[in-house]
Amino acid sequence: GAVVSQHPSWVICKSGTSVKIECRSLDFQATTMFWYRQFPKQSLMLMATSNEGSKATYEQGVEKDKFLINHASLTLSTLTVTSAHPEDSSFYICSARDPLAELNEQYFGPGTRLTVT
Amino acid sequence: GQNIDQPTEMTATEGAIVQINCTYQTSGFNGLFWYQQHAGEAPTFLSYNVLDGLEEKGRFSSFLSRSKGYSYLLLKELQMKDSASYLCAVMDSNYQLIWGAGTKLIIKP
Repeated sequence: GAVVSQHPSWVICKSGTSVKIECRSLDFQATTMFWYRQFPKQSLMLMATSNEGSKATYEQGVEKDKFLINHASLTLSTLTVTSAHPEDSSFYICSARDPLAELNEQYFGPGTRLTVT
Repeated sequence: GQNIDQPTEMTATEGAIVQINCTYQTSGFNGLFWYQQHAGEAPTFLSYNVLDGLEEKGRFSSFLSRSKGYSYLLLKELQMKDSASYLCAVMDSNYQLIWGAGTKLIIKP
């Protein structure tokens, strides 16, 4: 199956700093990538849909100036958490859809655990 | 609004069978997915149903009834490693996944 990687797998940062998370599709070209956030014991919450070469579409309640998304190529999307605060501590997961795949499934990266101190 | 309902938690015995139900109300339908998520890990794909009926894949089967807005995931010959959360997700008319809150499955020896 298709493989999606994320980097880093975990990161600890100080309040007020910015953190960049990378999401890569390793063996397919992803025109669309998705960024999710998951708090403990809760389900996935879609933050934004990232389309290659265009601006991301953010879900209601997600601050686009705080969570910067760049999808500069067909295999890479980045999420930058700017001026991070402790309440941004969460598990961030990206997924990608292979437009050539038979099913419409999303392939998930392994996730990035962010802790803001 | 769009809504996906599934039980919060279920308990089953090793070797037994368990059925996890999912009901949905969405704007449009382009398929229903089941994902497995172990604690601290990302979800992994289990099954996809777009037509009514049963899809079988080894110990796991998934059923869909579009007229009833209903699906279930059936796990047979339960193993301890099946302890995880099981997420039901529906792809709506915009090809966006609408996620249920997940069902935490606890397997006891």
